[in-house]
Amino acid sequence: GEDVEQSLFLSVREGDSSVINCTYTDSSSTYLYWYKQEPGAGLQLLTYIFSNMDMKQDQRLTVLLNKKDKHLSLRIADTQTGDSAIYFCAEISGAGSYQLTFGKGTKLSVIP
Amino acid sequence: ETGVTQTPRHLVMGMTNKKSLKCEQHLGHNAMYWYKQSAKKPLELMFVYNFKEQTENNSVPSRFSPECPNSSHLFLHLHTLQPEDSALYLCASSGRQDSNQPQHFGDGTRLSIL
Repeated sequence: GEDVEQSLFLSVREGDSSVINCTYTDSSSTYLYWYKQEPGAGLQLLTYIFSNMDMKQDQRLTVLLNKKDKHLSLRIADTQTGDSAIYFCAEISGAGSYQLTFGKGTKLSVIP
Repeated sequence: ETGVTQTPRHLVMGMTNKKSLKCEQHLGHNAMYWYKQSAKKPLELMFVYNFKEQTENNSVPSRFSPECPNSSHLFLHLHTLQPEDSALYLCASSGRQDSNQPQHFGDGTRLSIL
């Protein structure tokens, strides 16, 4: 089956930039998503990018997509303690597909 | 009230009990989903409903029984569960199943089986 891989942990200092990386195997991915999960909560959609784009910026968030290498990254500028959470990368394949394939999540810890 | 709401937030039950999880969405969506989130495993899709019709059952044991009476409500009926069923159960909704519209999640029900 298709696979989405993420590193499990990332620690950064408050005020620095965080970069969370994701790789996927499905070459027919159409949309790729970043979700955030805070302790005791569900998944919050942060941003998503269509596969024909290579960059999307939304305030402090920048998503970069390298479709050739099947590599997706999420950059959080000026990381704050409130950004501490688990970040999930997910992809959806082909037209008309409804199944999201999730990575295992990257736990971001922000050090004050 | 907006978004996707799940009740209860926490549930502890014995293996012989019967209980139900409830999900309600106020987003005007037509597709609803149940996911299971276990420690150290990726999210597992369990069931999908599109316009109240079940369109996917990902080999889920029959001790989990979904019900979707209308596009806004989704239930997961539980009976004779096993300890390995302890997990966070997440509900999600999207505009429709056969589209790439993003899924919006509730906060989940944390289920513990004694």
